[in-house]
Amino acid sequence: DIQMTQSPSSLSASVGDRVTITCRASQSISTSLNWYQQKPGKAPELLISAASTLRGGVPSRFSGSGSETDFTLTISSLQPEDFATYYCQQSFRTPPWTFGQGTKVEIK
Amino acid sequence: QVQLVQSGAEVKKPGASMKVSCKASGYTFTDNYMHWVRQAPGQGLEWMGWINPNTGGTSVAKSFQGRVTMTTDTSISTAYMELTRLRSDDTAVYYCARDEDEWFDPWGQGTPVTVSS
Repeated sequence: DIQMTQSPSSLSASVGDRVTITCRASQSISTSLNWYQQKPGKAPELLISAASTLRGGVPSRFSGSGSETDFTLTISSLQPEDFATYYCQQSFRTPPWTFGQGTKVEIK
Repeated sequence: QVQLVQSGAEVKKPGASMKVSCKASGYTFTDNYMHWVRQAPGQGLEWMGWINPNTGGTSVAKSFQGRVTMTTDTSISTAYMELTRLRSDDTAVYYCARDEDEWFDPWGQGTPVTVSS
């Protein structure tokens, strides 16, 4: 199975900060990498698919990049509604699909 | 709009079975696979498996093989996930999520399941 490792596990940031979360795959997955946002008590929501495609309705301050084994989710200017946990997920070729362990973004 | 509505919270005893439903609306149910994902309290997301509503074919994660059955009723656009031989570490929120080119969108609201004697 492909293992996904996110870093950091948590971070504290202020409104307006630039935030970067990384996700590393245990083998090359091309661009088969998706990002989700989960707020407390809610279901996850898709932010970015195929490493860099922003889903409709997602603010442009979110962006994704990377390929092969190393990927990044960037929030260019953190807003109050962005405080949440973020997960990466690989969907390379065949199941099982696997998630990173999550990155919790907290208010500094 | 595309929506997945899941059944309500359950409390089960160890050794019992649970069955969660996921009713889809806003799209053609047989056009997309359906995933099941769970999240233990304070933990991350764990993929359990998926089902092709068109054929009934499934793929189940190794850790759940032998205990999970995924089915659909296409006449009512509903997917089901049954987990047997429940243990305390099966306490979690269970989600269904539509597959769209191998990402998960949207997700159901989640079904909390508590396993306790």
